Amino acid sequence: KAGVTQTPRYLIKTRGQQVTLSCSPISGHRSVSWYQQTPGQGLQFLFEYFSETQRNKGNFPGRFSGRQFSNSRSEMNVSTLELGDSALYLCASSLRPGLGGQKGPGTQYFGPGTRLTVL
Amino acid sequence: AQSVTQPDIHITVSEGASLELRCNYSYGATPYLFWYVQSPGQGLQLLLKYFSGDTLVQGIKGFEAEFKRSQSSFNLRKPSVHWSDAAEYFCAVVQNNDMRFGAGTRLTVKP
Repeated sequence: KAGVTQTPRYLIKTRGQQVTLSCSPISGHRSVSWYQQTPGQGLQFLFEYFSETQRNKGNFPGRFSGRQFSNSRSEMNVSTLELGDSALYLCASSLRPGLGGQKGPGTQYFGPGTRLTVL
Repeated sequence: AQSVTQPDIHITVSEGASLELRCNYSYGATPYLFWYVQSPGQGLQLLLKYFSGDTLVQGIKGFEAEFKRSQSSFNLRKPSVHWSDAAEYFCAVVQNNDMRFGAGTRLTVKP
C-alpha cells in the first residue's frame, strides 16, 4: 500500500498570501489529521476530518481551515500568511478517528510533511 | 493544565548501550499514550502505544515502554541502541479528543 502523500513538499510564500496544502491518505483510511511543527511551539494539532466532517479542531486562528473530499483526500488552507506560519505541516491518516472513539484513537500514519516558508 | 513533559532535550548514548527516554504527563485521568520517532526530513512513525492492560508495552524496532500510573510516566526503553536509532523521539497523549506532544528528545548515537 502506498503511504500518506503530501504535496507540495516545499513551498515559499510571502506575507499576506494564502496557501493550500494537500494530503492523500492511505487507501481505505477515512480519517485525516493535520499538525503544525515549529522549533518554538513544537508539534501542535490543527484539525481532524473523518468522512468529510471536521471532528476536532485545535487552538488555531480562523485563518487555518481545511476540508476533506469524498475520496478522503484533504486540503488545508492558510489565508493571510504571517511569518510565524513558517513550519512543517504534517498530515496523518487512520482507519478510524485518530483522536478517539469507542475503540480508542486509531493508529495514525504520517506523511513526510510540507515545509512552508513565509518571507 | 494538561501537559506532556519530556525532560531531556538531547541525549547521547554509545552504540550498544541501553536507552531510556522519559515522558511525564499531567492529566486528571490516564490518557492514551504514544511514542513516535522522527528522522530528519521525515514524518512521524509510531513506535508503540498504551491504551489499557499490561503496563509494559512492546513496540517496533526493539523498543518498549512502561506505563506507571503512580508516577504519571510512560518511559521509552531499548536495551541496545543501534546507530540507526539516532532521531528525535516524541511522547504524545490523547484525551478528550485533544492530542498533545512533548517537546521531543533528540537522540545522538556515538560509534
